[in-house]
Amino acid sequence: SYVLTQPPSVSVAPGKTASITCGGDNIGSKSVYWYQQKPGQAPVLVIYYDSDRPTGIPERFSGSNSGNTATLAISRVEGGDEADYYCQVWGRSSDPVVFGGGTKLTVL
Amino acid sequence: EVQLVESGGGLVPPGGSLRLSCAASGFTFSTYWMTWVRRAPGKGLEWVANIKEDGTEKYYVDSVKGRFTISRDDAKNSLYLQMNSLRAEDTAVYYCARVWDGIDYWGQGTLVTVSS
Repeated sequence: SYVLTQPPSVSVAPGKTASITCGGDNIGSKSVYWYQQKPGQAPVLVIYYDSDRPTGIPERFSGSNSGNTATLAISRVEGGDEADYYCQVWGRSSDPVVFGGGTKLTVL
Repeated sequence: EVQLVESGGGLVPPGGSLRLSCAASGFTFSTYWMTWVRRAPGKGLEWVANIKEDGTEKYYVDSVKGRFTISRDDAKNSLYLQMNSLRAEDTAVYYCARVWDGIDYWGQGTLVTVSS
């Protein structure tokens, strides 16, 4: 089955840019989705089709995807951005939804 | 406004059964794939099962195959997950969600605890 690899944690100072990576074999050939999950809340889709933002998601959130790595970037990080972030791709019919292991973003 | 509201979670002993329900509103339920995703304590998101718009295709993660059954009733705008032979490792918050450009809407989740 297809495997997505994320760093367990990323720390960033307020106002700086956080980059969260998602590694996968030739992931650049797939569409990547990113979700934000805060404690006690449901996940929220923040990026779809590699780099598109749903309505209501701030422009500070951006995505890119090439080669074996997709990246979620959060600029001008705020305390409210502290959350777990997950990447996701569509796999084969036998394993259609693949999530990365998640990255905990800490704002210092 | 799209809303997904799960119910049916609770405490169940190992080997027991539960049926989760998800009431959908604010969109044409019958035209969307739907999915169940769970998050166990201290773990990340794990996809559980998908069902096609017309219910003719269903997919499951290997760990629940033969034990869980996903179904839908488009007349009632409802999604279900029948869980049998429950194990301790099935303990998690279970989310009902809509599949479109990604998994674009999620319910708030219902907690399933498998313990004696």
